[in-house]
Amino acid sequence: QSVLTQPPSVSAAPGQKVTISCSGSSSNIGNNYVSWYQQLPGTAPKLLIYDNNKRPSGIPDRFSGSKSGTSATLDITGLQTGDEADYYCGTWDTSLSGGPVFGGGTQLTVL
Amino acid sequence: EVQLVESGGGLVQPGGSLRLSCAASGFTFSTYSINWVRQAPGKGLEWLSYISPSSNTIYYADSVKGRFTISRDNAKNSLYLQMNSLRDEDTAVYYCARRGYSGYEFDYWGQGTLVTVSS
Repeated sequence: QSVLTQPPSVSAAPGQKVTISCSGSSSNIGNNYVSWYQQLPGTAPKLLIYDNNKRPSGIPDRFSGSKSGTSATLDITGLQTGDEADYYCGTWDTSLSGGPVFGGGTQLTVL
Repeated sequence: EVQLVESGGGLVQPGGSLRLSCAASGFTFSTYSINWVRQAPGKGLEWLSYISPSSNTIYYADSVKGRFTISRDNAKNSLYLQMNSLRDEDTAVYYCARRGYSGYEFDYWGQGTLVTVSS
C-alpha cells in the first residue's frame, strides 16, 4: 500500500490529453514539493517534473504538473505512442517514519 | 554527462548478504546526497536509504533499518549498500538516485541492478 494514491491506469488516444492524479495528506503533499517520474518499459525512472510544476532541461512542455492542497496532477497533452509508460509521483513525508515516498504508479496506454 | 552505474546484484539465499555499488561520473559526487531506491518485480518504487555528501546524515526506511547499511567513498566517487539478513521480499531492482538541487526530487537515476533472494 503506497503512501500516495494514483489511479492504476489511464488511457487516451494519440494527440489527446490525459491527467494523472496523485493524492496524499498534509504530512506529505500538503507541505512538500511534488515530483513526477516517467518509467518507460524496461528502463530506470526519469525525472519529468519537480517542485510541483518545473520541468528539467529537455522535458517537452507537453508535460506539466500542478498541486492543490494535498493532491497533485500531471497533465500530458498531444499524446504520442512513445509516452506509453508508468508514471510515478513522489514527495517527502514528514510523519514519524518519514523519508521520500512514491505513489503506486499509473500505467499510461496510448490507444 | 551525469552517470550512475550500479553493480553487485545477483542471486543470494535467504539470510545471506550482498554489497551493491554505484559508480558516479559527470558531476562533483562529493557535493550531492544520494539515495537507494528499489522496485520489486511488477511493483512500484520504494525509497530505502539516504546519505548526505559528507556522510553526516543517513536515513533508512523502516523496511531495511538494521539490515542494510549505506556508505560512500567520495575519493572513489562511489556509493554502497551493504545488505544483510536478506529476505525473499528484498528481491527487486535496486537503483541509486541523486538528490536534486531542490531537495525533494531524484534528478538522475542509475540503470539498476537486480537482486534475487531465493533458495
